[in-house]
Amino acid sequence: GQQVMQIPQYQHVQEGEDFTTYCNSSTTLSNIQWYKQRPGGHPVFLIQLVKSGEVKKQKRLTFQFGEAKKNSSLHITATQTTDVGTYFCAGNYGGSQGNLIFGKGTKLSVKP
Amino acid sequence: KAGVTQTPRYLIKTRGQQVTLSCSPISGHRSVSWYQQTPGQGLQFLFEYFSETQRNKGNFPGRFSGRQFSNSRSEMNVSTLELGDSALYLCASNKLAGAADTQYFGPGTRLTVL
Repeated sequence: GQQVMQIPQYQHVQEGEDFTTYCNSSTTLSNIQWYKQRPGGHPVFLIQLVKSGEVKKQKRLTFQFGEAKKNSSLHITATQTTDVGTYFCAGNYGGSQGNLIFGKGTKLSVKP
Repeated sequence: KAGVTQTPRYLIKTRGQQVTLSCSPISGHRSVSWYQQTPGQGLQFLFEYFSETQRNKGNFPGRFSGRQFSNSRSEMNVSTLELGDSALYLCASNKLAGAADTQYFGPGTRLTVL
C-alpha cells in the first residue's frame, strides 16, 4: 500500500547546528504537508507543497518537494531550543477521497 | 475563530468496555478526520467524514466506527476495548473533503485501556 518513509527517526543537535529530515514515497504524491508536534501537544500545520521542484521558506525553515513529487525535505538552519519537537511529513495521493499518509516523524532535540 | 475541540481530554477504561469520543471542528469546516497516534505506529488514519458521509476509511477493525452530525460535529466509537487501543486519538478538520487542504488538529483524547 501507500507508504511514506521518513528519516532519521531521531536527531540530536547542538543549538546553532542545522537539521534536515527527509521523506520518501514509492509512488507519486499529489501534495505533501509538513507538521510539527511539540512534546505533549498535537500536530500543527507548517506548510503544503504542491508543485514539482517547489521550494518554500519560512524564516529558518526550508521545505523542498522533489522533481518527481516522490520525496521532500525540511531543513532548519541554526536550530534553536524552540525547534524541539517531532516533525512529520504527510503525503496526499490525490482524489477527493484521499487521506493523509503520515511518516513516522523525526524527533528533534536541541542541546543549548 | 475557535479551534478544534475534543472531549474528553483524558479517559481510562477497562478491557471489553466501549468508549465514545467527540470532536467539534472549526466553524465552517465540513470535513473531520480521525487519527490514532501511538509511539510504535505513529499517526494512523481511521476515517474521514464530510457532510455526514464517511468518505474514506483506514485499515482498522470494525470495532472502530464513527459518525458526523448535521452541525459537522463528529463522534468516534470503539467497542470491546483492547489494551492495544490505548493511544492518543486526534481529530482534524478542514474545509475540503479529502486531504487537499490543511488539516487542523484538535488537542486529542488520551485513552488508556487497563
